[in-house]
Amino acid sequence: AQTVTQSQPEMSVQEAETVTLSCTYDTSESDYYLFWYKQPPSRQMILVIRQEAYKQQNATENRFSVNFQKAAKSFSLKISDSQLGDAAMYFCDPVGTASKLTFGTGTRLQVTL
Amino acid sequence: DTAVSQTPKYLVTQMGNDKSIKCEQNLGHDTMYWYKQDSKKFLKIMFSYNNKELIINETVPNRFSPKSPDKAHLNLHINSLELGDSAVYFCASGRAGGYTFGSGTRLTVV
Repeated sequence: AQTVTQSQPEMSVQEAETVTLSCTYDTSESDYYLFWYKQPPSRQMILVIRQEAYKQQNATENRFSVNFQKAAKSFSLKISDSQLGDAAMYFCDPVGTASKLTFGTGTRLQVTL
Repeated sequence: DTAVSQTPKYLVTQMGNDKSIKCEQNLGHDTMYWYKQDSKKFLKIMFSYNNKELIINETVPNRFSPKSPDKAHLNLHINSLELGDSAVYFCASGRAGGYTFGSGTRLTVV
């Protein structure tokens, strides 16, 4: 079974600053994908970034990047130049061959002026 | 043009009633899911269907029954609703390369 731990229930960052959200997971699979999803107050789940476990290069998507440490089973999300619109719940999610989504408990990110 | 659409967005009903939530995706994905998000925002998978076939069925009361008439639809029927069923229910579709979620259905049982 896959487990996901997001150890930071809440984080706060000032506008234009950088923040890193942590995620660790446990899986017995060797081939899988990892996702970060964002859930703003509108409740819509939005895919932020994804990483293939077989790739050593960390994924980057504009201001969002990940630090993927496969051996440590760690998958943190870095948000640079934070904007007010980044305020949301963020969920980490590893997906194995069974295509089963297993979410962490989420991190609530607040962005302050 | 909505990729994954759920109806209704809000549902308020009394205990003991039976209700259904519908989900449709126009992305051509083979796999669809139902998730329950509790008041603490924790997302938990309930069911997964692949091409109309049930592939994941987590520990969910028998009162919850998914139905997939075709691979573009996955509906969730709930019998004898209880207070503890109050939550937001998300439908999603996708494959390992990426997933798309519906906007959620907030179910309130009174």
